[in-house]
Amino acid sequence: SQQGEEDPQALSIQEGENATMNCSYKTSINNLQWYRQNSGRGLVHLILIRSNEREKHSGRLRVTLDTSKKSSSLLITASRAADTASYFCATVSGSARQLTFGSGTQLTVLP
Amino acid sequence: DAMVIQNPRYQVTQFGKPVTLSCSQTLNHNVMYWYQQKSSQAPKLLFHYYDKDFNNEADTPDNFQSRRPNTSFCFLDIRSPGLGDAAMYLCATSTGGSSYEQYFGPGTRLTVT
Repeated sequence: SQQGEEDPQALSIQEGENATMNCSYKTSINNLQWYRQNSGRGLVHLILIRSNEREKHSGRLRVTLDTSKKSSSLLITASRAADTASYFCATVSGSARQLTFGSGTQLTVLP
Repeated sequence: DAMVIQNPRYQVTQFGKPVTLSCSQTLNHNVMYWYQQKSSQAPKLLFHYYDKDFNNEADTPDNFQSRRPNTSFCFLDIRSPGLGDAAMYLCATSTGGSSYEQYFGPGTRLTVT
């Protein structure tokens, strides 16, 4: 079953602007991950943030985590047309590290 | 390059006609997963293999089965596809244990006519 909601469901911005996506989840977590999915393709892992971390950076990506509010945000700075994709947060459970995905945000970056 | 490969990329089957989707990996990962993703929705885990141990999600329909004959290959069998089974099917792998990242294949888009 879906772990939680992401908002906005869709986001359209101009190239060079920043994009922020939010994710809420329901259960306690060890970590939270963000994945990107280009149209009709598989998912690509972007970044993982552990439950004892509040913020993490990777290139143009910045992820925050607030475990008290059970929420996370993904910021993409200086967006590019190539960033156009769906972005999903995912939480992990079980010994096989099964992922439960949020509902996703469709990001469109206009050139 | 090490990767996760899914064949075919597009599969068309008839209502009720069994179909098999395949996944192979060159990563030598212990865990292989199958997800179903319907249009504009999040991927939903169907089952996974941790080595040879099969684990079915509670709400995965009985119509779906899986086989993992060796470390590299994993198959998804749909015994009697219905129109509601039309979706993208994604295979993923991970090492399990302390590593959490999953590596996804490009997916197989299944159409049921």
